[in-house]
Amino acid sequence: DTEVTQTPKHLVMGMTNKKSLKCEQHMGHRAMYWYKQKAKKPPELMFVYSYEKLSINESVPSRFSPECPNSSLLNLHLHALQPEDSALYLCASSQRGQGITDTQYFGPGTRLTVL
Amino acid sequence: DQQVKQNSPSLSVQEGRISILNCDYTNSMFDYFLWYKKYPAEGPTFLISISSIKDKNEDGRFTVFLNKSAKHLSLHIVPSQPGDSAVYFCAASGRATGNQFYFGTGTSLTVIP
Repeated sequence: DTEVTQTPKHLVMGMTNKKSLKCEQHMGHRAMYWYKQKAKKPPELMFVYSYEKLSINESVPSRFSPECPNSSLLNLHLHALQPEDSALYLCASSQRGQGITDTQYFGPGTRLTVL
Repeated sequence: DQQVKQNSPSLSVQEGRISILNCDYTNSMFDYFLWYKKYPAEGPTFLISISSIKDKNEDGRFTVFLNKSAKHLSLHIVPSQPGDSAVYFCAASGRATGNQFYFGTGTSLTVIP
């Protein structure tokens, strides 16, 4: 089983709203990732959690706030977003995480539209 | 700085023929390479990977070739099927990069029935 689930599938929000994206995996993976993907572009890494600790933050604006409540769950809290933040947000997980090369498995993504 | 490049944004192939997708990288510290397939509005699906200690890895219709001296890898799909039509991303990683993935810009494959 290599399933990563993400909710919601679609999200439309205004610039003053607060919303959260959720990601879950039950593969026992110890690293989880948030990516942002715009149309016809490769995924861009936003955050990496390794063993439930934030290990990489790729200079992402503070209007994006990640949270890793436990090793199976990853949230991305959104507040005061801009229309240019509209994108497909992808969650991924991998077995061991930082320093070890292994395969990342992606969820289906959340299509976010900011009005 | 794009460390992983896919120079062909699109490729069209007849059903049943071979599809060859190419990927070049610049960082010699990469030691693990992967191919992902992506349909619109979906997450990338892992296809196949190769470690730098190998030069070839096969999985069914998919074969990945790695040429370390040329810093080049390719994905061969034989025979190509209409369901293979998707965007294919190569990705590279390495212990020295902290398992951070570097993705290419993608190649859109169309398999014509």
